[in-house]
Amino acid sequence: GAGVSQSPSNKVTEKGKDVELRCDPISGHTALYWYRQSLGQGLEFLIYFQGNSAPDKSGLPSDRFSAERTGGSVSTLTIQRTQQEDSAVYLCASSLGPRQDKETQYFGPGTRLLVL
Amino acid sequence: AQTVTQSQPEMSVQEAETVTLSCTYDTSESDYYLFWYKQPPSRQMILVIRQEAYKQQNATENRFSVNFQKAAKSFSLKISDSQLGDAAMYFCARGGSNYKLTFGKGTLLTVNP
Repeated sequence: GAGVSQSPSNKVTEKGKDVELRCDPISGHTALYWYRQSLGQGLEFLIYFQGNSAPDKSGLPSDRFSAERTGGSVSTLTIQRTQQEDSAVYLCASSLGPRQDKETQYFGPGTRLLVL
Repeated sequence: AQTVTQSQPEMSVQEAETVTLSCTYDTSESDYYLFWYKQPPSRQMILVIRQEAYKQQNATENRFSVNFQKAAKSFSLKISDSQLGDAAMYFCARGGSNYKLTFGKGTLLTVNP
């Protein structure tokens, strides 16, 4: 079946602009995760959605970052007033959840964001 | 902080030879999972192998196997009969009750023909 998909693949934006990154999880996966991969910080957890439960936003670096998940499927990560330090690869992953939320996370190809 | 440490930033291996990538981790949990992911230049994180902490038997997947030493909190990856397509960044990761994966910094593997 289809894997996790993300769009756009690459995004170049100017400092101060807002960006939206999209993730389509594997069909049937109820858990969805966002991670950020940057040169200085490695791979960092950002946010976790499980079904209709309130998301765990503990990894979001600032209030400029937000995410939503509509209909328990597609998720959008929004970065407002982008800064140069937001430049990174944003990875989305999904897993079966909820009882299996320790199970394997399958990753999408990521969105590379460059803030000029 | 509960960390994952990969002490080898870079490794190289000759094609058809065997290489071992190291990983140590820290956790206070008794029930957790460990993973090795591979990330080629395409950026796609690909699962290589998974180990449940409660299992004593080391996981294997074809040419890939792990040496899981729970008491030492060590989780190394052995790649046998290395192939050119194995060249990638390899990440060790730990998952637990809080469902978040904690990743190591990665090891860049080069396979020489």
